[in-house]
Amino acid sequence: GENVEQHPSTLSVQEGDSAVIKCTYSDSASNYFPWYKQELGKRPQLIIDIRSNVGEKKDQRIAVTLNKTAKHFSLHITETQPEDSAVYFCAASIGSSASKIIFGSGTRLSIRP
Amino acid sequence: NAGVTQTPKFRVLKTGQSMTLLCAQDMNHEYMYWYRQDPGMGLRLIHYSVGEGTTAKGEVPDGYNVSRLKKQNFLLGLESAAPSQTSVYFCASRPTSGANEQYFGPGTRLTVT
Repeated sequence: GENVEQHPSTLSVQEGDSAVIKCTYSDSASNYFPWYKQELGKRPQLIIDIRSNVGEKKDQRIAVTLNKTAKHFSLHITETQPEDSAVYFCAASIGSSASKIIFGSGTRLSIRP
Repeated sequence: NAGVTQTPKFRVLKTGQSMTLLCAQDMNHEYMYWYRQDPGMGLRLIHYSVGEGTTAKGEVPDGYNVSRLKKQNFLLGLESAAPSQTSVYFCASRPTSGANEQYFGPGTRLTVT
């Protein structure tokens, strides 16, 4: 069936180091891959997204890479800061219409001072 | 613009009671979604709608019904609440398909005793 798997479920890194979160998806028709950040008690907010015709996208300290052949995409955060501590979710559109979006199970990122 | 709003913010129900959660958006978005969020399980899609008068099932539709009588509103109904439906419910809207961001509401925390 349709699913998005996300790893790891928890990640702790030293402030200033890099963090990498990985996701795989099952639907070969998926063409839109957003990443959301959710702080405690708040709603999810988009931090970066990528379309299937692009292999990599960067926005300051955040980058996303996509490997369509392997059905794999990753979030990279460099020079981590305390305010990066949150839960991060990957997601993928389903089907050629891309109207349906399903999420991974989330990664709780903690930044150690 | 208020964006996406949800009513109510909190609710406690007894098993077997019914209720309706209201989601409203003022961005003229075509697509609307209902997700539930449980610890360690990310956001799971309940139902979604690609336009006024249309609805479709998501990953976990059982026990819920939805209606989209007006473009700006998406209602989620629980006909006979069960403890397994205790969760945080998020509504989201999106302009159309493609690389368009989902905008989330603030969430409704529902407890079924």
